[in-house]
Amino acid sequence: GEDVEQSLFLSVREGDSSVINCTYTDSSSTYLYWYKQEPGAGLQLLTYIFSNMDMKQDQRLTVLLNKKDKHLSLRIADTQTGDSAIYFCAEIPNSGYSTLTFGKGTMLLVSP
Amino acid sequence: DAGVTQSPTHLIKTRGQQVTLRCSPKSGHDTVSWYQQALGQGPQFIFQYYEEEERQRGNFPDRFSGHQFPNYSSELNVNALLLGDSALYLCASSGRIAGGETQYFGPGTRLLVL
Repeated sequence: GEDVEQSLFLSVREGDSSVINCTYTDSSSTYLYWYKQEPGAGLQLLTYIFSNMDMKQDQRLTVLLNKKDKHLSLRIADTQTGDSAIYFCAEIPNSGYSTLTFGKGTMLLVSP
Repeated sequence: DAGVTQSPTHLIKTRGQQVTLRCSPKSGHDTVSWYQQALGQGPQFIFQYYEEEERQRGNFPDRFSGHQFPNYSSELNVNALLLGDSALYLCASSGRIAGGETQYFGPGTRLLVL
């Protein structure tokens, strides 16, 4: 079946690194995504990674993919209070036309 | 370049009524997907439109229907509203670009059913 799981909550201090983890079950997923949702807003695409990559870096964001364990992580360096939001991991299962399957989201709280 | 736009931003309806939500895709995108996000949950896929046809559908009843117009904009219709239909409805558009058909989301329409 298709299922994406994330831890529900993470709290860090400003300036620290944050690591948000995700596991997925569809080993044939071709693309994996991270989206950010601020209160009352839609989803903002942060980054994505192809399934044939192990790592992708984009400024303060680093995505690591472990296909063997079906594990995806998002590291935010030098976390700021403006990074406080809900972060969603999503996959495109091989069975669908670019239809996203989301986790329930991880709420990141950054304290000063 | 305008992103994905949705209207209205908020809507209040009563049980049994019908509602229509609208979406305009990002410039250059030809595919529109709709998602329902209940409070505290991740978005759930409703359906996807491409070339004015429903290309794929999630696990939602026939009360949920849609349409795509020649200019790629789309509507989501929900009939016989239930209390459980209260949610944030998100539209996403995509096209053939780097990252596959990466989906870009609009701000959503928040529907409250009383």
